[in-house]
Amino acid sequence: AQKITQTQPGMFVQEKEAVTLDCTYDTSDPSYGLFWYKQPSSGEMIFLIYQGSYDQQNATEGRYSLNFQKARKSANLVISASQLGDSAMYFCAMREGFNNMRFGAGTRLTVKP
Amino acid sequence: GAGVSQTPSNKVTEKGKYVELRCDPISGHTALYWYRQSLGQGPEFLIYFQGTGAADDSGLPNDRFFAVRPEGSVSTLKIQRTERGDSAVYLCASSRSRDNTGELFFGEGSRLTVL
Repeated sequence: AQKITQTQPGMFVQEKEAVTLDCTYDTSDPSYGLFWYKQPSSGEMIFLIYQGSYDQQNATEGRYSLNFQKARKSANLVISASQLGDSAMYFCAMREGFNNMRFGAGTRLTVKP
Repeated sequence: GAGVSQTPSNKVTEKGKYVELRCDPISGHTALYWYRQSLGQGPEFLIYFQGTGAADDSGLPNDRFFAVRPEGSVSTLKIQRTERGDSAVYLCASSRSRDNTGELFFGEGSRLTVL
């Protein structure tokens, strides 16, 4: 069963504006971690941000923030002040307990000048 | 370098041949993962090692795929009797964390093309 769902295959945003990339997940494990990765056209996977299931505050890393709504099982990535270099594939991932990490299908973000 | 190293970066082979892909994780990282990524899709989990043992191999698609990590460091993904559908980028990642708090550090991948 698909545990990570990213419903937006593609998104467009104007440079300097904010954008939200959606991610929902499914788990019955009380302990889990949520991750976002960026994959530019060059192919490398770049870690962006982490949110633990027990964290009370939403995670932030520079222009990236994670809107964590535990009851709704959503972990949306917010990118503020978009830049042209933000154009890439973005993947949401989850690791339950001591288990492996599974990824969603991804969202392709295009930043328009 | 200090990152995850994967070799070869590109491999072209013929259908039916045997292939080995190597991953050298970040020093000291006990967890090592193999993923397969097809164009435009998310990484598909294959196998995960903690130390020398496979903690979860539920993602291996069939018995043509096998992976080892004999000394708890370098890992080799082995594919027997390759098929055209095996063509993909194979990604290796490592993590210092046994639990779910640590991010994965990825290599640049090995692109496998089966003709």
